[in-house]
Amino acid sequence: SQQGEEDPQALSIQEGENATMNCSYKTSINNLQWYRQNSGRGLVHLILIRSNEREKHSGRLRVTLDTSKKSSSLLITASRAADTASYFCATEASNTGKLIFGQGTTLQVKP
Amino acid sequence: DVKVTQSSRYLVKRTGEKVFLECVQDMDHENMFWYRQDPGLGLRLIYFSYDVKMKEKGDIPEGYSVSREKKERFSLILESASTNQTSMYLCASRVLWRYAEAFFGQGTRLTVV
Repeated sequence: SQQGEEDPQALSIQEGENATMNCSYKTSINNLQWYRQNSGRGLVHLILIRSNEREKHSGRLRVTLDTSKKSSSLLITASRAADTASYFCATEASNTGKLIFGQGTTLQVKP
Repeated sequence: DVKVTQSSRYLVKRTGEKVFLECVQDMDHENMFWYRQDPGLGLRLIYFSYDVKMKEKGDIPEGYSVSREKKERFSLILESASTNQTSMYLCASRVLWRYAEAFFGQGTRLTVV
């Protein structure tokens, strides 16, 4: 399985602080995506980074990708209580079409 | 907006029953997926379909089968439900393009008693 690993498994911070979560994977990829899940509902797509990109921004989100280390990080700046959720990375191995998810990081942002 | 709809939000079935979980998407997506989600294990891919009548096994296909007779509908079948199949089941769809995001249904929480 190419399932990625995320760390930390759980993260608790105060509102206004930055949150960083990491994802590692095993095989060559076309792209890496980050998703968010609230309260055991369906996942919502946040951001996608292609294998030839190193960094991408979207609002308060910053994603980096290091293909040599097979790792990615998601930074949420100036966190809010509403950012409390589980965050998952997903990778698509080259030419398979399959999206494989990591185990997720549970983020708690305290007001 | 893309909509992925799973037929039930909560489901309780008895051991040995045949269980059907239905998923419908309204955006003509080629790819559809079934995942199960368990605490500490993240999302694990059960089956994946890239076209009508086409399917591929994911990481944990044992005990499951799938059906895709129409492009918009992807069904997950538990031939003989067991208690270790109690879980949250998530369906997703996406277009057949390597840089496409996936859209998820709201999930079906299945309890097998």
